[in-house]
Amino acid sequence: GEDVEQSLFLSVREGDSSVINCTYTDSSSTYLYWYKQEPGAGLQLLTYIFSNMDMKQDQRLTVLLNKKDKHLSLRIADTQTGDSAIYFCAESIRNTGKLIFGQGTTLQVKP
Amino acid sequence: DTGVSQDPRHKITKRGQNVTFRCDPISEHNRLYWYRQTLGQGPEFLTYFQNEAQLEKSRLLSDRFSAERPKGSFSTLEIQRTEQGDSAMYLCASSFYRGDGTEAFFGQGTRLTVV
Repeated sequence: GEDVEQSLFLSVREGDSSVINCTYTDSSSTYLYWYKQEPGAGLQLLTYIFSNMDMKQDQRLTVLLNKKDKHLSLRIADTQTGDSAIYFCAESIRNTGKLIFGQGTTLQVKP
Repeated sequence: DTGVSQDPRHKITKRGQNVTFRCDPISEHNRLYWYRQTLGQGPEFLTYFQNEAQLEKSRLLSDRFSAERPKGSFSTLEIQRTEQGDSAMYLCASSFYRGDGTEAFFGQGTRLTVV
């Protein structure tokens, strides 16, 4: 079946790097996504990676994909207090665009 | 275009009442998705449309739930005979689907509270 799992909570100090991890089960997923959700708000797409890529970098964000282990990570460099939010990993089901989300990782950034 | 718009943002209703939510996708987006998010969980897929055709419904979508996208533009999600377990955030997303990897844009959601 389709399942995505994430650790629930991460706390870092401002200026440090944050690494949020995710595992997924559907080996046919072609794209994997990271979304950010602030309190009371919808989901904001941060970045996504094609399944034949190992890494993607976009400014402070680095996504690493280990397809063999079905493991995805999001690294945020120089984490700021404005990065405090819930981060969701999601896999896209082939040919539908339907997303299967993890339960979210709450990132707390301490000043 | 201001993005995906959902209305209302908040709805409080009594158990047993019917409610209807509306989603206006980004113009010309051919796909529209509904998700439900309960507290502390990630969004769960409910259903999606390509233009006006409803292509898939999740098993989460009981007979009390119905969704439409009559002209391939806006969509409505109706819940009949609401139950307390229906309390959740209902999220809508749209995309111009060109194949896998197409970005989906989410609205702000409608938060439903059933009392």
